[in-house]
Amino acid sequence: DQQVKQNSPSLSVQEGRISILNCDYTNSMFDYFLWYKKYPAEGPTFLISISSIKDKNEDGRFTVFLNKSAKHLSLHIVPSQPGDSAVYFCAATFTGTASKLTFGTGTRLQVTL
Amino acid sequence: DTGVSQDPRHKITKRGQNVTFRCDPISEHNRLYWYRQTLGQGPEFLTYFQNEAQLEKSRLLSDRFSAERPKGSFSTLEIQRTEQGDSAMYLCASSLGEEKLFFGSGTQLSVL
Repeated sequence: DQQVKQNSPSLSVQEGRISILNCDYTNSMFDYFLWYKKYPAEGPTFLISISSIKDKNEDGRFTVFLNKSAKHLSLHIVPSQPGDSAVYFCAATFTGTASKLTFGTGTRLQVTL
Repeated sequence: DTGVSQDPRHKITKRGQNVTFRCDPISEHNRLYWYRQTLGQGPEFLTYFQNEAQLEKSRLLSDRFSAERPKGSFSTLEIQRTEQGDSAMYLCASSLGEEKLFFGSGTQLSVL
């Protein structure tokens, strides 16, 4: 039972353009969402998060949008840079559950020159 | 480096052998988590500690798995009688309360 889904296993974007990574969830009890970035041979690194009381959160080139009614969130990277090439994981949790995260399967982003 | 440290980075073992992994969290973090990641999947929660107390275990954690965090500092994850299905990346993470998780680089286990 995959409660957090990332339906695009890979995405290729040109440098300078926008990257949009999508994530869907099925459990309406999730109220906090995170994006992690993972380079090969390293652990996931926190990127950005959003609480269910918001519909948008920005941090520099990264913006996360949350559509609660559609149970959908997306990560926008503008402009994309070659160093952004990595696997991006969407994760969800419930407030008060000790930050126990449920991860999606990841999307591999490749930013080309 | 004050990040989460895991040892070893890689472990190759034969089916039926026991293995033990170690995790050293960020020093001021009171929570420590173990996750497992298999190929093509995202990390899956296994267990977590608050200080030295193991507060939750996933149903993924069979009886062959045991985790400890003596004195609320480093943690060990032991797998007894390893099976080929145990082959995965074992990730440790730590946090300060409900704040975001910081992950280590993981231990890649291969069971032959």
